[in-house]
Amino acid sequence: QVQLQESGPGLVKPSETLSLTCAVSGVSIRSYYWSWIRQPPGKGLEWIGNIFYSGRTDDNPSLKSRVSMSVDTSKNQSSLKLSSVTAADTAVYYCARINYDFRNAFDMWGQGTTVTVSS
Amino acid sequence: DIQMTQSPSSLSASVGDRVTITCRASQSISRFLNWYQQRPGQAPNLLIYGASSGVPSRFSGSGSGTDFTLTISSLQPEDFASYYCQQTYSPPYTFGQGTRLQIK
Repeated sequence: QVQLQESGPGLVKPSETLSLTCAVSGVSIRSYYWSWIRQPPGKGLEWIGNIFYSGRTDDNPSLKSRVSMSVDTSKNQSSLKLSSVTAADTAVYYCARINYDFRNAFDMWGQGTTVTVSS
Repeated sequence: DIQMTQSPSSLSASVGDRVTITCRASQSISRFLNWYQQRPGQAPNLLIYGASSGVPSRFSGSGSGTDFTLTISSLQPEDFASYYCQQTYSPPYTFGQGTRLQIK
């Protein structure tokens, strides 16, 4: 079955770059668009961006161009980088699959990885 | 950007109750509206896509354009969770603020 697994450092210092990966199993990463979403503690969901294996991306203007996403087809994984982090970037980060047959709904999610920004 | 306004932000109800959550988009999104359930400590789970399509039998969605609803016909203990609407009509794919459904 399809599985998504996020991974990366749980602690990042302010002003540094947060780097996460999303390992996909059970389906080729070329077959879908993929999304990154985050959720600050006790708050709601925030869409970060989408990526296709071709390199096409959409990202949230509210993150002021701090976002970089990529896909490694040889490893079947997606990556997220968020630069110049502050405490406001502390959150659980999720990756999800976008299903265009379901009106672009996010039909599969990883379990999430917690990132804390602190010195 | 398309803003999604979800209400109520919290709701107390009892097992067996019928509850309705609403979501309003700041502009027409056709039927590109999805509903997710999130239990504490878990990732969100897709409940309804395309405004009204999905698997769970006691959950139903309706609406098109700017106004949408999620209805749970008879609450079960496992339904007490948070619910989010999301538009996927155009990026940024915005979420509603969420509705926390609690046991009365």
